[in-house]
Parts: sequence; structure tokens; C-alpha cells
Amino acid sequence: EDKVVQSPLSLVVHEGDTVTLNCSYEVTNFRSLLWYKQEKKAPTFLFMLTSSGIEKKSGRLSSILDKKELFSILNITATQTGDSAIYLCAVGHAGGTSYGKLTFGQGTILTVHP
Amino acid sequence: NAGVTQTPKFQVLKTGQSMTLQCAQDMNHNSMYWYRQDPGMGLRLIYYSASEGTTDKGEVPNGYNVSRLNKREFSLRLESAAPSQTSVYFCASGWGSTLRDTQYFGPGTRLTVL
Repeated sequence: EDKVVQSPLSLVVHEGDTVTLNCSYEVTNFRSLLWYKQEKKAPTFLFMLTSSGIEKKSGRLSSILDKKELFSILNITATQTGDSAIYLCAVGHAGGTSYGKLTFGQGTILTVHP
Repeated sequence: NAGVTQTPKFQVLKTGQSMTLQCAQDMNHNSMYWYRQDPGMGLRLIYYSASEGTTDKGEVPNGYNVSRLNKREFSLRLESAAPSQTSVYFCASGWGSTLRDTQYFGPGTRLTVL
């Protein structure tokens, strides 16, 4: 059974702190790993990673994938209250009837206090 | 572009009632998906449609049916609602093809079954 596990499940920090969110996976036919941010409504796309060791960066957010150890991390530096959200990790599957299906982890709830 | 739209935004049903959730996308995507989100469980795939005319079960299909009406529209039907179907439902669309795993989400429908 495909499994995507995120840790921690929740995290409370103060503005300016740096946080690291973790995502480990055990899936058949891995193709990609995606990170989403979910505020009050729909998840919005952050990153897609397909190759090990190549960091993707967008402003204060960055992410990297380790396909040997089957995990990814999402780093947020100098956190702001606007970073408060649920961060979702998902794995994309290759081949067969997978057709771009994603398997999601449980999410990490990040709360940033002023 | 509206992206992915869903109706209704909120719905309250009594046990045994039926309803259809509507979803439409204007990004010319091939694949469409229905998820449910429950606290602490991330997003779980109910049904998906890889392309117009095809539908397949996801992780939690029991109690639901879907119709891919055309390339733009994908509806989710609850024939006889149960309290266990109280959840937030998200529709998503994507290319579903190699290295284009990103899915784009609608704003969600909050469903309560009494």
C-alpha cells in the first residue's frame, strides 16, 4: 500500500524562526514529489521535485528530494504570520493507469505567532 | 481564466438524501479528480478521470459515483448520504502526463450530513 507520511503533524513557531517540514514516502512507481500550501481554502502548488539533490527555491521557501532515502524536506526561513497554513506533501505515480494520480500525506499544520 | 470552479460551496443534507457536486475547469486539462479532506487525514482520492469518457476508483470510492460529462466537467454524486460523508470535497484538474503532475484545485464544498 502506498504511504506518504509527514512530520511533524503540527508546529508552532514565532516570526523570524526557520522551520523544516518532513515528508517520507513508500510508493510504487514513484515519479515526482509535490508540495502544496493550504490556507483557508484550496491547496496551492509550491514545488514539484523529480531529481535527487537538486534544491528548488522560491523566496524564503526551498525544498529538496532524496530518492535514495525516500524523503523530502521543505524549509521556510524567516517565517511570517502569512506562512501559517497546512503544508501538504504528495507523491505522483508513474505508468500504468496512474494517470497523474497523487497520494497525499496527512499535512503539517504550521502556526506562526507574531 | 476561472481555473477550477465548484458548486455548491456549502451543503447540509439529511441521512439518505442525494446530491451532486459539480466541477468545471477551463484550463483544457485532460485529467480531473475528486478528493475528500478530513481532519488529520490529508486529501484522499475518491474517483478520477484520466480523460474524457473514462473514470476510475481512487482510495475511498464507496458511496460515490462520478460522471465525466465532457472535457471540462466532472461531477460527483452521493446517492444516499451518510454522516461518514461529512467532509470537505475538492475537485482538481491536471495534465496527468509525464512530468506534469501538478494538479490545480477548486475552492471546495463543505458538506454536512445530519
